[in-house]
Amino acid sequence: NAGVTQTPKFQVLKTGQSMTLQCAQDMNHEYMSWYRQDPGMGLRLIHYSVGAGITDQGEVPNGYNVSRSTTEDFPLRLLSAAPSQTSVYFCASSPVQGMNTEAFFGQGTRLTVV
Amino acid sequence: LAKTTQPISMDSYEGQEVNITCSHNNIATNDYITWYQQFPSQGPRFIIQGYKTKVTNEVASLFIPADRKSSTLSLPRVSLSDTAVYYCLVGDWMDSSYKLIFGSGTRLLVRP
Repeated sequence: NAGVTQTPKFQVLKTGQSMTLQCAQDMNHEYMSWYRQDPGMGLRLIHYSVGAGITDQGEVPNGYNVSRSTTEDFPLRLLSAAPSQTSVYFCASSPVQGMNTEAFFGQGTRLTVV
Repeated sequence: LAKTTQPISMDSYEGQEVNITCSHNNIATNDYITWYQQFPSQGPRFIIQGYKTKVTNEVASLFIPADRKSSTLSLPRVSLSDTAVYYCLVGDWMDSSYKLIFGSGTRLLVRP
């Protein structure tokens, strides 16, 4: 059981480049979300999805797009990378949207924008 | 927005019991309280969750007073491997959507 898988693990981008961070889960979870974590800080919610075809913004959505065409996959797209987007990105999933559920996190993607 | 307040850092020694208290004065009636643990270079990991009174599992206990405005994570007999950041979360329902919002967490250092 793989859980939540993120690819790539590391990435270096030049300013202005675009790329997609991949996230896949094999637990048939409805709820998926993306976070970023800057050094020494807590996680901040970027975007989330409550099911296939449904996405919404979190705390810091600017500069990022998401889509959810299947239950399993929730890619995060950086439209035009900026140094301020240098961070570690975590994808998470949970069975349903709600309070009394456990969220499962991937191992993260470390992104550096130069 | 439901917010949580935790100490920024705590120190302990191996074998001691560690209690981390979290304040959540604006917790909603239907919110649960959840704690996550995060090691360096890893994603957060669920530790324990509760609604009221006391919850215990194989790794921790969670104490929630009757007013639910705070909660205390208790780690019995910590070891060096418990050195991590611990996050206290309560749910955030906004615009009919639920969001899991993290605060800054408590950085626990366990010394030999």
